[in-house]
Amino acid sequence: GAVVSQHPSRVICKSGTSVKIECRSLDFQATTMFWYRQFPKQSLMLMATSNEGSKATYEQGVEKDKFLINHASLTLSTLTVTSAHPEDSSFYICSARTGGHGYTFGSGTRLTVV
Amino acid sequence: KNEVEQSPQNLTAQEGEFITINCSYSVGISALHWLQQHPGGGIVSLFMLSSGKKKHGRLIATINIQEKHSSLHITASHPRDSAVYICAVLFGNEKLTFGTGTRLTIIP
Repeated sequence: GAVVSQHPSRVICKSGTSVKIECRSLDFQATTMFWYRQFPKQSLMLMATSNEGSKATYEQGVEKDKFLINHASLTLSTLTVTSAHPEDSSFYICSARTGGHGYTFGSGTRLTVV
Repeated sequence: KNEVEQSPQNLTAQEGEFITINCSYSVGISALHWLQQHPGGGIVSLFMLSSGKKKHGRLIATINIQEKHSSLHITASHPRDSAVYICAVLFGNEKLTFGTGTRLTIIP
């Protein structure tokens, strides 16, 4: 089946640094990638939708200059958390449409900013 | 407003018990997904439904379009079924709307 590989699975970074998270579709072309954030014991919150070759669409309240999304190819989308702060510590996960109404999810990245 | 409600929020059961998790939504949908999230965080898509019933191993998912309701059943539950189960609905655009999840714990 369709697989999205997400890296890294865990990252600890210092406050003020930037962190890049990658999601790669392994056996299909992901025209659209969705990026979510999840706080402990809460549901997934959509941050942005990225489309290959165009600018990402951000949800209300999500800072586009802080969460940079790049979808330069049909198999790779990246989320960069810039100038990370402790409040950015969270679980980030991507998903892609796999045809029809199907979705597949990455394995997630647990970010801790110290 | 497009809403998804899940119940129960938490469920603890003995190994072997029959489990039911419910999901209700507010308006007509294109499709409904049942997802499983393990403690590590990764999410697995269990089922995608737009009508009727689907079965995979010990898991069964049903949907009633008229009543705007779906259920996920687990037969002969096992401790390895312990996870958070999430209902996610596609209301006609590309964006999934997620329920709050049901935390299932199966005790040996």
